[in-house]
Amino acid sequence: DAGVIQSPRHEVTEMGQEVTLRCKPISGHNSLFWYRQTMMRGLELLIYFNNNVPIDDSGMPEDRFSAKMPNASFSTLKIQPSEPRDSAVYFCASSLSGTGDDEQFFGPGTRLTVL
Amino acid sequence: DQQVKQNSPSLSVQEGRISILNCDYTNSMFDYFLWYKKYPAEGPTFLISISSIKDKNEDGRFTVFLNKSAKHLSLHIVPSQPGDSAVYFCAAALYNNNDMRFGAGTRLTVKP
Repeated sequence: DAGVIQSPRHEVTEMGQEVTLRCKPISGHNSLFWYRQTMMRGLELLIYFNNNVPIDDSGMPEDRFSAKMPNASFSTLKIQPSEPRDSAVYFCASSLSGTGDDEQFFGPGTRLTVL
Repeated sequence: DQQVKQNSPSLSVQEGRISILNCDYTNSMFDYFLWYKKYPAEGPTFLISISSIKDKNEDGRFTVFLNKSAKHLSLHIVPSQPGDSAVYFCAAALYNNNDMRFGAGTRLTVKP
């Protein structure tokens, strides 16, 4: 398996533009997570899905952020409109069962820069 | 609300010596703890974990210690190697919940 795939790896955009980050989890994994990494706060959980259903989106910072998982092999994280403070590395991760003791496999991340 | 805290942003040790990375948590309900390792331009990878029913778990050069009363865990790397240089994230979770909380990370540098 190729592991968790994220695209793009780097995204540079201007303030106010829409940004869409993409993730393909490991085949057979039932849970998918979106994280944001910043210097100050480390890894923050934004939202997670179980069997394609959003379970907890309390970590989503604002209404400008939205995430979807239309099927078991694809998820998107959208920021609209983007702002400079959204600049960070965004990670997608997946796990087999989603329980607390289940290892999460992370993708390589998308480095987002909003000018 | 930082439920998991890694108060040392960086640590530097000499090759062959012990590296000790520390982590504190505030939620006494957490019952599973993990350490992830991250190299530049890569996603974090799982390193070692420990259940709250244990106070120690060892895997080769890596040992994690858990002190539930102090809400503190630590990762020991002995002996440290230059290839261990990375950012280490501490994480805490509930068995029946996907909501894993990560610390801010500690950057370990092992000098040859």
